[in-house]
Amino acid sequence: DGGITQSPKYLFRKEGQNVTLSCEQNLNHDAMYWYRQDPGQGLRLIYYSQIVNDFQKGDIAEGYSVSREKKESFPLTVTSAQKNPTAFYLCASSTTAYGYTFGSGTRLTVV
Amino acid sequence: AQTVTQSQPEMSVQEAETVTLSCTYDTSESDYYLFWYKQPPSRQMILVIRQEAYKQQNATENRFSVNFQKAAKSFSLKISDSQLGDAAMYFCAYGGFTSGTYKYIFGTGTRLKVLA
Repeated sequence: DGGITQSPKYLFRKEGQNVTLSCEQNLNHDAMYWYRQDPGQGLRLIYYSQIVNDFQKGDIAEGYSVSREKKESFPLTVTSAQKNPTAFYLCASSTTAYGYTFGSGTRLTVV
Repeated sequence: AQTVTQSQPEMSVQEAETVTLSCTYDTSESDYYLFWYKQPPSRQMILVIRQEAYKQQNATENRFSVNFQKAAKSFSLKISDSQLGDAAMYFCAYGGFTSGTYKYIFGTGTRLKVLA
């Protein structure tokens, strides 16, 4: 079955550490996205990629980095520069007309 | 710039009753898509229904239907015969071109409580 796989489901980060969240899709979608969701809030766009080897900053890109070396993969690195990284992170891919397919999310907690 | 507004942070409905969630949006484009997503406590985002802007007919999926008013830029979701499993966050989303790039913009969500 086609879909998006995010891993890990839960992630704990120490202060000053970089961590990488994985997102893999086998839907053959060109576009992939990373969103952050805080309690009681909507989805805020971090980064997105329309094509391999190209990506753009979203609304809250500071403290995050991404790569898009393969069509299937769009990992997100939360760097030590991100001062408040505790949140729920959602990866999505899309075709133009049919909306997003979302992964199941990663819950990141700073310890 | 395109915006999506959900003005009801929380709604309650009695089981088996009908509830309508509101969504308004702003765009200067004529060709776009609108979506409603459901996020239950598991936090998995689930597509509930989609509407193509060029279609005047309102989309329907079983107990879920929309009232799409293009001129008023309104896209409300009606849930009929509400069930306990409908309790979730509901997000309205716009899909269209923004500054030359195809993107999706989400509202802030409406939390729906279903009372037994």
